[in-house]
Amino acid sequence: AQSVTQPDIHITVSEGASLELRCNYSYGATPYLFWYVQSPGQGLQLLLKYFSGDTLVQGIKGFEAEFKRSQSSFNLRKPSVHWSDAAEYFCAVGAEVLTGGGNKLTFGTGTQLKVEL
Amino acid sequence: DGGITQSPKYLFRKEGQNVTLSCEQNLNHDAMYWYRQDPGQGLRLIYYSQIVNDFQKGDIAEGYSVSREKKESFPLTVTSAQKNPTAFYLCASIGGLTYNEQFFGPGTRLTVL
Repeated sequence: AQSVTQPDIHITVSEGASLELRCNYSYGATPYLFWYVQSPGQGLQLLLKYFSGDTLVQGIKGFEAEFKRSQSSFNLRKPSVHWSDAAEYFCAVGAEVLTGGGNKLTFGTGTQLKVEL
Repeated sequence: DGGITQSPKYLFRKEGQNVTLSCEQNLNHDAMYWYRQDPGQGLRLIYYSQIVNDFQKGDIAEGYSVSREKKESFPLTVTSAQKNPTAFYLCASIGGLTYNEQFFGPGTRLTVL
């Protein structure tokens, strides 16, 4: 079964500092990997995704993530954090096939990002 | 603009009552999903539907029911059999060129009084 671990429940960074959110997945083959962001009381917005090819993926809002097969990781990075980046971030893996077709997404428990001004 | 709408945004229910959460999409997506979100637990899959008039149980289907009579609509009923229904509920859809990328609605917060 696929699984995702986000080891950091809370992270606090200063505005303008760099950011790295950790994500480790468990699956036998190369999975589909996603990062989503959620503002309080809102739905999830896709930041970026990895399906295949270049292991460094660029996303929206200046985020990027690097797929490292040897470490089973897909960490999210941003060179300079803005106060508006404060939110909860979810990593997800989509590899298992659902009955009837399509891939199941399994989400991590999320990392809450706080940005200090 | 295309997207997913969920209503209501906030819903209050007395114990023992059934309640239905609405999810509508105009993205022409085939597949739709319902998730439950609790603090510190991420999202858990309740039900999903790949096609009209067909749906499948997810990981935590007990106490919930769904229907898929129209492509654009996938309502979720939280029944009185659900022991701990207070949560944030998210609907998502997938399809077309963005296959495997799930689009999410804004969510419904259900509180049982």
